[in-house]
Amino acid sequence: KQEVTQIPAALSVPEGENLVLNCSFTDSAIYNLQWFRQDPGKGLTSLLLIQSSQREQTSGRLNASLDKSSGRSTLYIAASQPGDSATYLCAVIDFQGAQKLVFGQGTRLTINP
Amino acid sequence: DGGITQSPKYLFRKEGQNVTLSCEQNLNHDAMYWYRQDPGQGLRLIYYSQIVNDFQKGDIAEGYSVSREKKESFPLTVTSAQKNPTAFYLCASSMYSTSSYNSPLHFGNGTRLTVT
Repeated sequence: KQEVTQIPAALSVPEGENLVLNCSFTDSAIYNLQWFRQDPGKGLTSLLLIQSSQREQTSGRLNASLDKSSGRSTLYIAASQPGDSATYLCAVIDFQGAQKLVFGQGTRLTINP
Repeated sequence: DGGITQSPKYLFRKEGQNVTLSCEQNLNHDAMYWYRQDPGQGLRLIYYSQIVNDFQKGDIAEGYSVSREKKESFPLTVTSAQKNPTAFYLCASSMYSTSSYNSPLHFGNGTRLTVT
């Protein structure tokens, strides 16, 4: 059974720093990996989707990488801003025959002004 | 604007009562999903539907029921059989194709259900 882990559970950094969030998964036979952002009391917003054949995706200050063989993905945030404060979740679709995501527990990120 | 609407935002019910959560999307998406989120835990899949009039159980379907009579709507009923129904419920949708799963999920803003 696929398991997704995100460490650390919480992270606090000063504004302007570059930072990396980590995601690991136990079964490397994934179809894709997605990174989401969740603000308190809100739904999830899709940030980046990396297909299994890709190594990375970029959107603005965000860069997500994928290493299937080691079961890892990272989300790199450049020049962090207070507005980046949120919970970041990663999720994978594995080859179970349906478009079902398996989520990590998330990393709660706080950017201090 | 296209999107997913969940209503109500907050819902309070007495133990033993069934309650239905609404989810409507105008994105013309084929697939719809219900997830449950508890503090300190990731999202867990309750039910999903890839096409009208068809739906499948997710990982934690016991005590829940759904219907998919229209493409735009996927209501979730939390029955009295659900032992711990208090949670944050999230509805999502995506394009679906048997040849491609590379369509990102779009989420609604959730319904927070409290059962006392």
